[in-house]
Amino acid sequence: NAGVTQTPKFQVLKTGQSMTLQCAQDMNHNSMYWYRQDPGMGLRLIYYSASEGTTDKGEVPNGYNVSRLNKREFSLRLESAAPSQTSVYFCASSDRDRGVVPFGSGTRLTVV
Amino acid sequence: DAKTTQPNSMESNEEEPVHLPCNHSTISGTDYIHWYRQLPSQGPEYVIHGLTSNVNNRMASLAIAEDRKSSTLILHRATLRDAAVYYCILRPPEWRGNQFYFGTGTSLTVIP
Repeated sequence: NAGVTQTPKFQVLKTGQSMTLQCAQDMNHNSMYWYRQDPGMGLRLIYYSASEGTTDKGEVPNGYNVSRLNKREFSLRLESAAPSQTSVYFCASSDRDRGVVPFGSGTRLTVV
Repeated sequence: DAKTTQPNSMESNEEEPVHLPCNHSTISGTDYIHWYRQLPSQGPEYVIHGLTSNVNNRMASLAIAEDRKSSTLILHRATLRDAAVYYCILRPPEWRGNQFYFGTGTSLTVIP
């Protein structure tokens, strides 16, 4: 039981490049989330998916797209990376009864 | 969405109890109160959660005010490993979207 798995762990992009961050969970959770955390700041919600087939914007969705590929996987795409998107990205998942929300270990992204 | 207010930072001596306060005056009757912590360079980890009654687990205790407008996370004996940022989060039910927003948190320093 791996919990929430994020790949890659580290990535450096040039401005304008695109990439997809991958997230998978093996707990049969309905909801999944993507957050970003800038240095010295709290986590901010980018997008979330309450259930398979649905996605909704969070606090800071601009510059990102998401795909809930199936119940296990929720990907985050940067179409044209900008230096302002340099951050640590965390994925999380949850079930219906509002219990523990496990988080992945994060992806540290640098855009130069 | 209901917001939480926490002190930016607190200090505690090692092996002393720590009381971390959180105000959530606009909490809805169906919101659960969650506490997470984030150790340096790690993803957030679950600490405890509750709805109305006080809760205890291996890590901590959660004291919820009778009117639910505030709560307190209690670490019974702080250790150096408890130095982290502690987040108080209100989690709505799934029918209201199941979003999970972080505030700014309280940075706890444990003094040896």
